Amino acid sequence: NAGVTQTPKFQVLKTGQSMTLQCAQDMNHEYMSWYRQDPGMGLRLIHYSVGAGITDQGEVPNGYNVSRSTTEDFPLRLLSAAPSQTSVYFCASTFPIQDLEIYGYTFGSGTRLTVV
Amino acid sequence: GENVEQHPSTLSVQEGDSAVIKCTYSDSASNYFPWYKQELGKRPQLIIDIRSNVGEKKDQRIAVTLNKTAKHFSLHITETQPEDSAVYFCAASQGGGTSYGKLTFGQGTILTVHP
Repeated sequence: NAGVTQTPKFQVLKTGQSMTLQCAQDMNHEYMSWYRQDPGMGLRLIHYSVGAGITDQGEVPNGYNVSRSTTEDFPLRLLSAAPSQTSVYFCASTFPIQDLEIYGYTFGSGTRLTVV
Repeated sequence: GENVEQHPSTLSVQEGDSAVIKCTYSDSASNYFPWYKQELGKRPQLIIDIRSNVGEKKDQRIAVTLNKTAKHFSLHITETQPEDSAVYFCAASQGGGTSYGKLTFGQGTILTVHP
């Protein structure tokens, strides 16, 4: 049981480049989400998914796309990287939905992205 | 949407003292309030959580209290130890509806415990 796995751990991009941050979980969690963490601003929700085939926008979705073709995987795509997207990105997942109650998130180890 | 304010932004205590971090939330529909601890360069880890049908929850040296009327909740750490030094985040979420599962985080508190 690997938990939530994120790749890569570090990435440097040039402005305008695109890339995909990978996130996979092996806990059969229905709910998955992507957060970005910037100094002094906590963690801000980018996109989330309540199950395969279902995604929705969070607080800061501009410049990012997601898809959820399987329960296990939830990749985050940067369409055209900008310096403002320099951040640490965390993927998180949580238990199957029971009685509509949310349970604690399990976070991945993070991806530190620098856009130059 | 939900807005979570967290105070203080930094907190420095001596080993053995207590530490209290406070958060307020704006959405009265929020009913789940977790606290995360993040050590430098590591991922956030859940340390304790509370639901809106409970006023207080305790786990060894850590406790959380919730005041639904005032819309604020607090983290209490007693007998602090140097290994408690980290960034602590509070968060709030609705349990259902269109906002299901969306955690809104506070800005974080850097706790430093001096030996």
